[in-house]
Amino acid sequence: NAGVTQTPKFQVLKTGQSMTLQCAQDMNHNSMYWYRQDPGMGLRLIYYSASEGTTDKGEVPNGYNVSRLNKREFSLRLESAAPSQTSVYFCASTDRSPYEQYFGPGTRLTVT
Amino acid sequence: GEDVEQSLFLSVREGDSSVINCTYTDSSSTYLYWYKQEPGAGLQLLTYIFSNMDMKQDQRLTVLLNKKDKHLSLRIADTQTGDSAIYFCAESLTGYSTLTFGKGTMLLVSP
Repeated sequence: NAGVTQTPKFQVLKTGQSMTLQCAQDMNHNSMYWYRQDPGMGLRLIYYSASEGTTDKGEVPNGYNVSRLNKREFSLRLESAAPSQTSVYFCASTDRSPYEQYFGPGTRLTVT
Repeated sequence: GEDVEQSLFLSVREGDSSVINCTYTDSSSTYLYWYKQEPGAGLQLLTYIFSNMDMKQDQRLTVLLNKKDKHLSLRIADTQTGDSAIYFCAESLTGYSTLTFGKGTMLLVSP
């Protein structure tokens, strides 16, 4: 039982490049989330998927797209990376109340 | 709107008690949570409290909730150097699975 896994762990991109961050969970959870963490800003929700087949914007969705590929997998895509997207990205999942969210180990992304 | 606020830094000596405070603004919070993040890792849930409770104790951890003042605290008894981490307060609202997080309190425990 691996919990929530994320790939890659580290990535360096040049401005304008694209990439997809992958997330998978093996806990049969319905809901999945993408956050970014920046110094002094805490965690901010980018997008979430309350259930398979649905996605919704969070607090900071601009510059990102998501795909809920199936119940297990939820990917985050940067179409044209910008330096402002340099951050640590976390994926999380949860099921029912009390909605304890399980987090992956994070992807550290640098855009130069 | 939702807002969760925490002090940014706390320093204590090993063996002392630590108290981390949090305030929230939304009175329709259902659950309030404390998460811990160790360096280079993701967040891990420490404990949570339902909004109709005043207190919850779990080994060295005590959570106090003052719903009138919208104030939540986490007390860690006999703090150890391994407790050094960032602690996040979070809330969820009735009917929603999304969480709103505070900016985190960095706890530094010195020997």
